[in-house]
Amino acid sequence: GAVVSQHPSWVICKSGTSVKIECRSLDFQATTMFWYRQFPKQSLMLMATSNEGSKATYEQGVEKDKFLINHASLTLSTLTVTSAHPEDSSFYICSGQIHSYNSPLHFGNGTRLTVT
Amino acid sequence: GENVEQHPSTLSVQEGDSAVIKCTYSDSASNYFPWYKQELGKRPQLIIDIRSNVGEKKDQRIAVTLNKTAKHFSLHITETQPEDSAVYFCAARPELRNQFYFGTGTSLTVIP
Repeated sequence: GAVVSQHPSWVICKSGTSVKIECRSLDFQATTMFWYRQFPKQSLMLMATSNEGSKATYEQGVEKDKFLINHASLTLSTLTVTSAHPEDSSFYICSGQIHSYNSPLHFGNGTRLTVT
Repeated sequence: GENVEQHPSTLSVQEGDSAVIKCTYSDSASNYFPWYKQELGKRPQLIIDIRSNVGEKKDQRIAVTLNKTAKHFSLHITETQPEDSAVYFCAARPELRNQFYFGTGTSLTVIP
C-alpha cells in the first residue's frame, strides 16, 4: 500500500521552456506532499511542503515563482519548473504523507530533468 | 532549522559482517527519526523508524538506537547481505513542524 506514482520518470527540455511533474497517490489520500531535489550522490534537499488546498511553503533559497507547486486534491500534486535553465537539471522526487505529522513519507520514483 | 549530519558517506563491509551508520541532529525538538534505503534508480523506501520516547527499535536484522541527550541516532544492520547494498538516508522531523530533514546519505556496499 501507500504508492505514489510520479511522472514523467525522465524529461529533456530546452532552456526557457516549462516542465510539469505530476505525483499521484494511488491508494491513499496525501494530505501533505513534499517536493525534494537530489543532486548526484547527494542527499534529498527539501524544496517545499504543500498541504492540500493551501499554498505551498517553500524552503529558504527556493524560488516559488520558478518552482510552482499545486496540490489541488488529496491525490494529486504537481511541480512546474518554469523557464528552465541548465542549472535546474536534477532529480526531483515527491513524497506523500497520510494524515500528516505522525505518518512516514512515501516517495515517488522521481523525475530526472535535463535542461539543454 | 534542523541540521542532520550523517557518517560515513561510504561504507564497505564483507557479507555477514555488521554495518553501522550514525546521524546527529541539531534541533532538540526533533522527535521522529526514520531511515530510508534507496537502491540505484529507485525511490527511497522506509526501512525503520524510531520516535523520541523510545531508545531502541529492532526489526529482524535492522535496529535503530536513539540517544536524545547526545542528539544522535544510529542504524545497525547485522549479518549483511549483498542485497543490503544501497544508499541509506537518515532523517529527523522536528516536533510541531511537519518537515523532514535528511542526512547526506551513506553508500553501503556489501562484498560477497
